[in-house]
Amino acid sequence: QVQLVESGGGVVQHGRSLRLSCAASGFTFSKYGVHWVRQGPGRGLEWVALVSSDGNSEYYADSVKGRFTITRDNFKSTVDLQMNSLRAEDTALYYCARELYGYAGSLDYWGQGTLVTVSS
Amino acid sequence: SSELTQDPAVSVALGQTVRITCQGDSLRRFYASWYQQKPGQAPVLVIYGQNNRPSGIPDRFSASNSGNTASLTITGAQSGDEADYYCESRDYSANFYVFGSGTKVTVL
Repeated sequence: QVQLVESGGGVVQHGRSLRLSCAASGFTFSKYGVHWVRQGPGRGLEWVALVSSDGNSEYYADSVKGRFTITRDNFKSTVDLQMNSLRAEDTALYYCARELYGYAGSLDYWGQGTLVTVSS
Repeated sequence: SSELTQDPAVSVALGQTVRITCQGDSLRRFYASWYQQKPGQAPVLVIYGQNNRPSGIPDRFSASNSGNTASLTITGAQSGDEADYYCESRDYSANFYVFGSGTKVTVL
């Protein structure tokens, strides 16, 4: 069955870096785009980033552009999110999600999330 | 514009019909996806494309689109449908994605 498992979250000081990872299984990973979506405490969903199936294209929300980098390894079936210059407003539960094949932006499988807390 | 606007909350009597709307310029160009999120759980895709349901989603969930507005309709709402619902679409420029602010559905 399709599984996405996030890891790497934790408490980090303002201005420091953190790297999240998403491990996928149960499907042909190299055929699917993967997104990161976050949800701040008591807040709604916020789209963060997308990496294309071949890893050649990346897209970012304006709020993270220039600070976050999304990459993937199709041999290991993983997607990473490198987060630099972290701010208090980056505190959130970070989900990775698979993009439904043929339907850009429709996210059909989600992980359970990894929590990032940025402290001052 | 990159915003998708949703009403914060709506209520529906058990077994009745409720419609949730999502407004934004990007919806003139792209269909919205709809997600259901219950407390403490990851979101679940309930509608994608013009009006498609993933496997396992009941047919009481349906979608429609007109101009800059996308709508999710729950026909015959059940207590288990009580959740937050989010629309999502590509930005008009197609360079990124955006979620609506979410609608809390209460089943009375």
